[in-house]
Amino acid sequence: AQSVAQPEDQVNVAEGNPLTVKCTYSVSGNPYLFWYVQYPNRGLQFLLKYITGDNLVKGSYGFEAEFNKSQTSFHLKKPSALVSDSALYFCAVRESYNTDKLIFGTGTRLQVFP
Amino acid sequence: SAVISQKPSRDICQRGTSLTIQCQVDSQVTMMFWYRQQPGQSLTLIATANQGSEATYESGFVIDKFPISRPNLTFSTLTVSNMSPEDSSIYLCSTEITGGRSSYNEQFFGPGTRLTVL
Repeated sequence: AQSVAQPEDQVNVAEGNPLTVKCTYSVSGNPYLFWYVQYPNRGLQFLLKYITGDNLVKGSYGFEAEFNKSQTSFHLKKPSALVSDSALYFCAVRESYNTDKLIFGTGTRLQVFP
Repeated sequence: SAVISQKPSRDICQRGTSLTIQCQVDSQVTMMFWYRQQPGQSLTLIATANQGSEATYESGFVIDKFPISRPNLTFSTLTVSNMSPEDSSIYLCSTEITGGRSSYNEQFFGPGTRLTVL
């Protein structure tokens, strides 16, 4: 079965510093990976996805993610964090080629301090 | 993209009662999904609702507890029946704008319904 793991419950970073939110995956075929962000009292917003092609994927709000097949990772990154980036981040994997079901990680809370 | 609204945004309910959550999409979509996000936890898929067919429930979720309607291509409802405090969660609907089953498009989510059961 497909799964994703987010090893950190919380990540703290100072504003202006680079940030990384980690995600590793386990799939039986080609991985289809997604990052979502959830701001307080709001639904999930799509950030970016990896389906195929370039390993570095660029998304919304200046975020990017690097797909690393050998390390089975899909870490979310941003060169310079903003206080407004503070939110809950979810990594997700599509269950298989033939379904639309998303499997979500447990989430990582990002806290950016001024 | 898709704009999704949900009603109500939050509710406080008594044990043993039922609540119906509405989800409206601003365009016609084939598939709609209902998720549950329990306090401090990740999202868990409850069921997939295709227009014109019975909803498909995930392991651990049953139709008697979470009946779903999908009367047309822009609307769905999820009912949480005979509620208990353990049903206190955020319930989210989502959809995917696809050009085919292999499009791997992202899902768009509604703002969620925060349910508290006393």
